[in-house]
Amino acid sequence: GAVVSQHPSRVICKSGTSVKIECRSLDFQATTMFWYRQFPKQSLMLMATSNEGSKATYEQGVEKDKFLINHASLTLSTLTVTSAHPEDSSFYICSAREPARYGYTFGSGTRLTVV
Amino acid sequence: AQTVTQSQPEMSVQEAETVTLSCTYDTSENNYYLFWYKQPPSRQMILVIRQEAYKQQNATENRFSVNFQKAAKSFSLKISDSQLGDTAMYFCAFMKPDNAGNMLTFGGGTRLMVKP
Repeated sequence: GAVVSQHPSRVICKSGTSVKIECRSLDFQATTMFWYRQFPKQSLMLMATSNEGSKATYEQGVEKDKFLINHASLTLSTLTVTSAHPEDSSFYICSAREPARYGYTFGSGTRLTVV
Repeated sequence: AQTVTQSQPEMSVQEAETVTLSCTYDTSENNYYLFWYKQPPSRQMILVIRQEAYKQQNATENRFSVNFQKAAKSFSLKISDSQLGDTAMYFCAFMKPDNAGNMLTFGGGTRLMVKP
């Protein structure tokens, strides 16, 4: 089946630095990828929809200058958390829509801790 | 906008027993898809079952089945012969095919504990 690889799985960074999270579709082309944020014991909150070759669509309340999304190829989308602060600490998950059917494959997530 | 509601924040069931997780949704659409996802402690999201709204027959996947009531906008998940590995968060999700990326709308989740 379709596989989405997400890296890194865990990252600790200092406040003020930037962190890049990668999401790759391994065996299919993903024209659309989604980025979610999940707080402990809560549901997934959609941050943005990433489309290959075009600008990402951000959900209301998500700072596009802080959470930079790039979808430069059909197999890779990246989320960069710029000038990270402790309140950005969270679990980030990517997802790709599988081709030819309405199904979604999720990455394994990235736990970001900003100290 | 669509909303998905899971009214049971937590549930528990004895191993080998059957449990039903509730999900209701609100939409004015006629064509859509519904999903149940499982998120175990590893936090990997795993598709459990999918239902197309135009299909009247309830979807089943081994021990997992749904009761899809379109008029009532209800989509419950039944887990039969519960196993310890079923312990996880379960999320109900809604998707309306459109030109805006076909995004998923998730419910708040139900934490299921299977007890030995």
